[in-house]
Amino acid sequence: KAGVTQTPRYLIKTRGQQVTLSCSPISGHRSVSWYQQTPGQGLQFLFEYFSETQRNKGNFPGRFSGRQFSNSRSEMNVSTLELGDSALYLCASRQPTANTGELFFGEGSRLTVL
Amino acid sequence: AQKITQTQPGMFVQEKEAVTLDCTYDTSDQSYGLFWYKQPSSGEMIFLIYQGSYDEQNATEGRYSLNFQKARKSANLVISASQLGDSAMYFCAMREDDYKLSFGAGTTVTVRA
Repeated sequence: KAGVTQTPRYLIKTRGQQVTLSCSPISGHRSVSWYQQTPGQGLQFLFEYFSETQRNKGNFPGRFSGRQFSNSRSEMNVSTLELGDSALYLCASRQPTANTGELFFGEGSRLTVL
Repeated sequence: AQKITQTQPGMFVQEKEAVTLDCTYDTSDQSYGLFWYKQPSSGEMIFLIYQGSYDEQNATEGRYSLNFQKARKSANLVISASQLGDSAMYFCAMREDDYKLSFGAGTTVTVRA
């Protein structure tokens, strides 16, 4: 069974640009969450999507947005990039019927903003 | 307020020895879940072990065991018989009712040969 796939793995952007990251969840998983990981702030929750609807949102500015498609694939977008947006962006999927709520993570997209 | 506290930024352990990673949590929910994840240098977060708040027995998964002390709100991870491949960052996390995970700052484990 294929794991969570994130693309691209690495990217470099400049301030003011925008970026779109993609995540394909494990087959059958309908929930996708996004997390930002930085050395200073650690791992922070961005948002969660289930059946194309945003169910939960972390404390991030409106420049951070996401969506989920009917095949459960998800994208997140960051507009007007700032230096502080440099981070590892991790996507995770889960099967909402699973009792534990365990998240399965991808390898992440490492964004560098210059 | 910090929901998950990991007080050990880094630890060294000799190969084949056991190591305990500390984790304390803060929640007012009655139903919650506690997780430990391993993050090697590749970046992927690898699930290790889960403990539900209503589980009476401590969780075990192979060489990993979770020492759950509910009254003290602690969920320490014990790795037995450490291997060189265990060198990584380890995160404690908690799931509350809204299903998002709150992570601790992590503990870097270095296994020495």
